This record gives sequence, C-alpha cells and structure tokens, in this order.
Amino acid sequence: EDQVTQSPEALRLQEGESSSLNCSYTVSGLRGLFWYRQDPGKGPEFLFTLYSAGEEKEKERLKATLTKKESFLHITAPKPEDSATYLCAVQAVGNAGKSTFGDGTTLTVKP
Amino acid sequence: NAGVTQTPKFRVLKTGQSMTLLCAQDMNHEYMYWYRQDPGMGLRLIHYSVGEGTTAKGEVPDGYNVSRLKKQNFLLGLESAAPSQTSVYFCASMRTNSYNEQFFGPGTRLTVL
Repeated sequence: EDQVTQSPEALRLQEGESSSLNCSYTVSGLRGLFWYRQDPGKGPEFLFTLYSAGEEKEKERLKATLTKKESFLHITAPKPEDSATYLCAVQAVGNAGKSTFGDGTTLTVKP
Repeated sequence: NAGVTQTPKFRVLKTGQSMTLLCAQDMNHEYMYWYRQDPGMGLRLIHYSVGEGTTAKGEVPDGYNVSRLKKQNFLLGLESAAPSQTSVYFCASMRTNSYNEQFFGPGTRLTVL
C-alpha cells in the first residue's frame, strides 16, 4: 500500500526566514510525485511534478527536490502570501492515475 | 475555460436524507475523481472513473455511489446520509497522458446533522 507522510504538520516562519517541508513516501513503482498548494476554503492547486530521484523543479521562491525515499519543498525568503497548506501526493505506475496524498503541512509566514 | 466546477458549494442534510453532488469539467479529461477531506487530513479517494460509463471504488467508498453518464460530468450520491459523512468533498480531473497532475474543483462543504 502506498503511503505518504508529511512533516512538520505546521510551520510558522518570519518573512524572509527560509525553511523546508518534508514528504516521505513508499510506493510500488513511482510514476510521479506531486506538490500542491491549498488555500483555506479552496481546492488544491498544482505546483510541481517530480518523476525521478535527483530531479529538481523551481517556481519563484519554491524549489522541490526528490530522492528515492522523500521529497523536500524548499521555501526561500518566504512572504506572507506563501501562507497555505502544502500537500504532497504520489502516483504509482499502472494505477489509473490515482494519487495518495499526505496530510499536508500548514505554513504560516508572519510579516 | 471554467476548469472543474462543483455544485452545490454548501449543503446541510439531516441524517437519512439523500443528495447528489455534481462535478463538471470542460477540459475533455478522461479521468475524474471524488475525494473527501476532513480537518487536518489529506485527501482520501472515494470513487474514480477512467472514462465515460466506467466507475471504480477508491479508498473509502462505503455509503457513496457514483455515475459517469457523460464524459464531462461525474456525480457523487449519498443515499442515506450519516453524520460521519460530514466533510469537504473535492472533485478532480486529469488527462490520460503520462505523469499528469490533477485539476481540482472548489469543493462542496457538506454537514450532516
């Protein structure tokens, strides 16, 4: 059974204070690892897909990396508008695109 | 494009009542999914569909039924609502090419009293 564990559950940062969110996973044949952002009262919004160990993707202040066991979402010099819940999900090969989600990390960035 | 839309946005039911949640997508996606999200938890898959006329069970299917009569629509039904079904329900769709992300609707907040 595929499993995704995210840590920490909550993270509070001062504006400009860089940090990382962790996503540990076990999956029977990784098809892709996905990061989503979810704002309160809204549906998740896609950020990145990582396919293989060693891959990195960047978007503004966010950088996602992938190893064979975990993924990190690095946030550099965060701003208050980066406050949201970040969800990690994995898709296994041959699984009809079904995604297994972690419980998320809620990030709060204070000015 | 409207993307993925969900109807209604909010609903309050009494125990034992029935209702149908509607999901519509205008991106011509083959795959569609229904999830529920409870406080402090991630998304759990209820049912999914890989094409018009097909449905399959996900991780937590009990108490729910689905139908995909048209490619663009995916309906989630609760035949006899229970308080344990109080949750936020999200619909998602996805293209069938490899390595694709899911596109989510805005959610339906359901309360069962």
